[in-house]
Amino acid sequence: AQTVTQSQPEMSVQEAETVTLSCTYDTSESDYYLFWYKQPPSRQMILVIRQEAYKQQNATENRFSVNFQKAAKSFSLKISDSQLGDAAMYFCAYFPVPEKLVFGKGTKLTVNP
Amino acid sequence: DTGVSQDPRHKITKRGQNVTFRCDPISEHNRLYWYRQTLGQGPEFLTYFQNEAQLEKSRLLSDRFSAERPKGSFSTLEIQRTEQGDSAMYLCASSPRQSYGYTFGSGTRLTVV
Repeated sequence: AQTVTQSQPEMSVQEAETVTLSCTYDTSESDYYLFWYKQPPSRQMILVIRQEAYKQQNATENRFSVNFQKAAKSFSLKISDSQLGDAAMYFCAYFPVPEKLVFGKGTKLTVNP
Repeated sequence: DTGVSQDPRHKITKRGQNVTFRCDPISEHNRLYWYRQTLGQGPEFLTYFQNEAQLEKSRLLSDRFSAERPKGSFSTLEIQRTEQGDSAMYLCASSPRQSYGYTFGSGTRLTVV
């Protein structure tokens, strides 16, 4: 069974600094996708970034970037220049081919002013 | 069409009652997913539709749960004879294709008293 592990239940960062959230996953598949989702308090889940396993280049979206290590089955999220609006639960998710996202338990990120 | 809509946002029901939730996906998305999220956990997969066909159901989806997507448009999730353990956030998501990532709705928070 595929599993996703986020080993940091909570993280905090000072505004304008950089933070890295960890994620590892277990799979025997070679073709899959990985995602990071953000869930602000009492608000809906939003897609932050997407990585295709067959691409070696790490995905970036503005202040968000990933470090994808396929052999190590690791997929960390780096948030640069952290802002107060980045405070949320962050979920790592694995998408096997075919179908359905498998989520980790999440990391609660606090941004301190 | 501004996104995935879920109704109601909140539902409080007495144990043993039946409840039904509705999800309206983004109109051009043929894939629709239901997830359940309990406090402090990541979303767990319940079921998935491609157009009107229900292609997969989780073992979490007991006989008391049923989902439909008539005509491949909106979907309903019904829980019969609710139990306190059914209390959770029920999330709906849609996607235009399997690798694209989901767009989530705001969820329906169910409280069984």
